[in-house]
Amino acid sequence: DVKVTQSSRYLVKRTGEKVFLECVQDMDHENMFWYRQDPGLGLRLIYFSYDVKMKEKGDIPEGYSVSREKKERFSLILESASTNQTSMYLCASSLGRGFNQPQHFGDGTRLSIL
Amino acid sequence: TQLLEQSPQFLSIQEGENLTVYCNSSSVFSSLQWYRQEPGEGPVLLVTVVTGGEVKKLKRLTFQFGDARKDSSLHITAAQPGDTGLYLCAGPFGGTYKYIFGTGTRLKVLA
Repeated sequence: DVKVTQSSRYLVKRTGEKVFLECVQDMDHENMFWYRQDPGLGLRLIYFSYDVKMKEKGDIPEGYSVSREKKERFSLILESASTNQTSMYLCASSLGRGFNQPQHFGDGTRLSIL
Repeated sequence: TQLLEQSPQFLSIQEGENLTVYCNSSSVFSSLQWYRQEPGEGPVLLVTVVTGGEVKKLKRLTFQFGDARKDSSLHITAAQPGDTGLYLCAGPFGGTYKYIFGTGTRLKVLA
């Protein structure tokens, strides 16, 4: 089974802090994604990566950056955390080739910015 | 603009009842996926529908892709408390590996 592991289930940070969310997958997947999930808005894509050191902006990249130095690890960075970034963050991975590949999700990080 | 609209948003039913949830769009999708997310966990893929008019069954769950590939439905027969969760549809968008997710239907099945 594919395992996508997010480093923290719950995280509390202060406004203005630099925040790192880590995600690791163990199935050699090429694609990795970061979403945020908010009530009534569904899952919204922040960034995705289709290869090491490659990244593309999703629908809501403002205030975020990402890093993918190794194939198995995809990090989401909040450069200067703000209260409107309080949310559930979900990491996902997929095999690559083809558009019908399932996405495998981690269990999420619930981030609160005070 | 929400490309994938799901309805209803919330559904609370008794065990044994049948239900249908819908995923609609004004855009054509090459495929649609359905996921279920249980509290405290990430979404898990249930099925992918690819061909217009396609029907797929997963035990008591029946998934249908519209003929024009703009909509999909999920029908659950004789719902059970274990079916409780958030149901999400998703489709590839923009010719890349990006997926658009619907807003979700939150289902609660009461024993």
